[in-house]
Amino acid sequence: DTAVSQTPKYLVTQMGNDKSIKCEQNLGHDTMYWYKQDSKKFLKIMFSYNNKELIINETVPNRFSPKSPDKAHLNLHINSLELGDSAVYFCASSQNGQDTEAFFGQGTRLTVV
Amino acid sequence: DQQVKQNSPSLSVQEGRISILNCDYTNSMFDYFLWYKKYPAEGPTFLISISSIKDKNEDGRFTVFLNKSAKHLSLHIVPSQPGDSAVYFCAAVNTGTASKLTFGTGTRLQVTL
Repeated sequence: DTAVSQTPKYLVTQMGNDKSIKCEQNLGHDTMYWYKQDSKKFLKIMFSYNNKELIINETVPNRFSPKSPDKAHLNLHINSLELGDSAVYFCASSQNGQDTEAFFGQGTRLTVV
Repeated sequence: DQQVKQNSPSLSVQEGRISILNCDYTNSMFDYFLWYKKYPAEGPTFLISISSIKDKNEDGRFTVFLNKSAKHLSLHIVPSQPGDSAVYFCAAVNTGTASKLTFGTGTRLQVTL
C-alpha cells in the first residue's frame, strides 16, 4: 500500500516526443507537488497544487503542464522533450499546504536521447 | 542562488561512531528545517525536523541542532549503523508563505563495518 506512487519508474524517449508521468497518493493529503532532481542533484520544486488548484509554479518552461484531475492525482505532461529535461522527477504530497514532512514518491528517471 | 547548502558531498563513518552532517542556509526567513534520507532508486523520506524556536530536537539515534545566528544546522546520528548509509538532504521552509521545501544538494553517508 504505497503512499505516493509514480509511474513509470523509468522513461527513455527521443527528443521532440510528448510524455506523461502519473502520480497518485492515498494519504488523503490535499496538496501535491512535482520536484525535479537534476544532474547536479539539486531537488527543486516545479509545481504545487492544493485541492486541484495551482498554488506554486516555479520558473518552468511551459512545455511542462501539470494536471490534477482530483486531490489524489497530479500528473505531469511534458511536450517537445529536450535533452536538458533528463532528470529524476519526484512527486510528493502533504497536508494543508504546509509541505513540511512531505511524502515523496520513488521518482521517475527520465532520459531524453 | 542556492539558499540551502551542504558543503560535504560525502562522509564515511565507522559503525558505532557518530555521524555529523552539516547544512547552512542563507535565507533568514526560513523557520522550519527538515532532514530527509534517500536510498538509491527511492524517494526521499522524512527523518527529523526542527522549528526555529528550538535549538535541538532528538528522536532516538537522531538529533538535529539549529544555530540560528550562524544559520547552520547539523544532524547527529549516534551510534551510526550500516543501514544509515544513504544520501541525506537538508531542507528549509518559510511556513508563513506559500511554503515550499528548499533542499540542499545532499551528503552521501557511508557507514563502514
